[in-house]
Amino acid sequence: AQSVTQLGSHVSVSEGALVLLRCNYSSSVPPYLFWYVQYPNQGLQLLLKYTSAATLVKGINGFEAEFKKSETSFHLTKPSAHMSDAAEYFCAVMGENTDKLIFGTGTRLQVFP
Amino acid sequence: KAGVTQTPRYLIKTRGQQVTLSCSPISGHRSVSWYQQTPGQGLQFLFEYFSETQRNKGNFPGRFSGRQFSNSRSEMNVSTLELGDSALYLCASSWALAGGPNEQFFGPGTRLTVL
Repeated sequence: AQSVTQLGSHVSVSEGALVLLRCNYSSSVPPYLFWYVQYPNQGLQLLLKYTSAATLVKGINGFEAEFKKSETSFHLTKPSAHMSDAAEYFCAVMGENTDKLIFGTGTRLQVFP
Repeated sequence: KAGVTQTPRYLIKTRGQQVTLSCSPISGHRSVSWYQQTPGQGLQFLFEYFSETQRNKGNFPGRFSGRQFSNSRSEMNVSTLELGDSALYLCASSWALAGGPNEQFFGPGTRLTVL
C-alpha cells in the first residue's frame, strides 16, 4: 500500500533561513507525489508535484522538492523563509488511475522575525 | 474562473441528526473527491466520484455517503451524527484526464461541529 511519512510535526525557522520539510514515501511503483500548503481556515493549495518528468521540481512561492528514489524521499525546501510561509504543509501520494490522495500527517511551519 | 465552492462553510448539528454538504467543482472538472480533516486523524479520503459513479471509497462507516450529479456537482451526507464527526470536510475537483496524475483543486471546506 502507498503511504507517506512526514518527519517533524512542527518546524520553526527564522525569517531568511532555509526551510526543509521532510517527506518519505512508500510505494511499490513509481509514485505521483505532491506537496500542499494549508493556511488557517482555508483549503489546500498545490505547491508542486512530481510525475517522473524531472527529479527536481520547482513550485510556487519559491519552493522546490527533489525526488530521490534511493532514499524514497521527496523533501520540500525553500532557500529563504518569509513570514508569509507560516502554514501547515502536507505531503501526499496518488496512485495510478485514481484521483485519491493519501496524505502525510502534516508539518506546521513557524517563521520567526 | 471560479474555484471549487462548498456550502455551507460552517454548520452546527447535534448528535443523531443528519447533514448534507454540497460541493460545486470548477467548471469542466469531472471528478470530485471528498476528504475529512481532524486534528487526531489528519486528512482522510472519503470517496471519489466520476461521471456520477463512485470510483473509490475510503474506510468510513456506511453513515457516510455521497453522490454526484450530471453537472458534476456533488453532495455528501452523514446520517446519525456522532461527536467524532466534527471535522473540516474538504472537496476537491479535477479534470480526470486519462493517464493522470490529475491535479486536485480544493475548496475552502465545510466546518462541521457536532454537539
